[in-house]
Amino acid sequence: QKEVEQDPGPLSVPEGAIVSLNCTYSNSAFQYFMWYRQYSRKGPELLMYTYSSGNKEDGRFTAQVDKSSKYISLFIRDSQPSDSATYLCAMTGSDYGGSQGNLIFGKGTKLSVKP
Amino acid sequence: DTGVSQDPRHKITKRGQNVTFRCDPISEHNRLYWYRQTLGQGPEFLTYFQNEAQLEKSRLLSDRFSAERPKGSFSTLEIQRTEQGDSAMYLCASSRFWGQETQYFGPGTRLLVL
Repeated sequence: QKEVEQDPGPLSVPEGAIVSLNCTYSNSAFQYFMWYRQYSRKGPELLMYTYSSGNKEDGRFTAQVDKSSKYISLFIRDSQPSDSATYLCAMTGSDYGGSQGNLIFGKGTKLSVKP
Repeated sequence: DTGVSQDPRHKITKRGQNVTFRCDPISEHNRLYWYRQTLGQGPEFLTYFQNEAQLEKSRLLSDRFSAERPKGSFSTLEIQRTEQGDSAMYLCASSRFWGQETQYFGPGTRLLVL
């Protein structure tokens, strides 16, 4: 079993839909959770960062972490064609009071938003 | 803030040749990371530096791979005696010392080994 599991999709939704993306993980030491967006042939772009459990909202994006279930989610409201990309979850543990340096990524979910 | 830059963006080489990639981090970031990403997979951690010190290396980093950050600014990643299995996107990221979970990635160097 990989440390981080993410359904690769592809996921296709109509414009304006609410998108739900999620990852599960097995390492209870993970405390920092990130979502990255990656357009084709580009580097990942940091979207959201959450420490420990809880919700975080930024514009149309909401990140949720449920450490008891080892499950994280990213919701995109009012999805746009420009949101079409691969979404990667990433996480890491704590070390000496801060986070460890190495991020563990999921495989990524390819999202397509149709006009 | 000019972002993380990587050079070259693309590299095609023949099996057995050596290649070197360069990464310039965000200027105030003292942590620098290298990752490798193959098609359909998420990035995999290779190594990271704090200033000029290489603090961690993944077991993915075979003896043919070496990374340096001689003055704590830019970094190079060299692959010796390239193999077809080395074909991948090589990504560089940087972060501050505190907040190293918020890593900012460069555009990557796409390597194809023929």
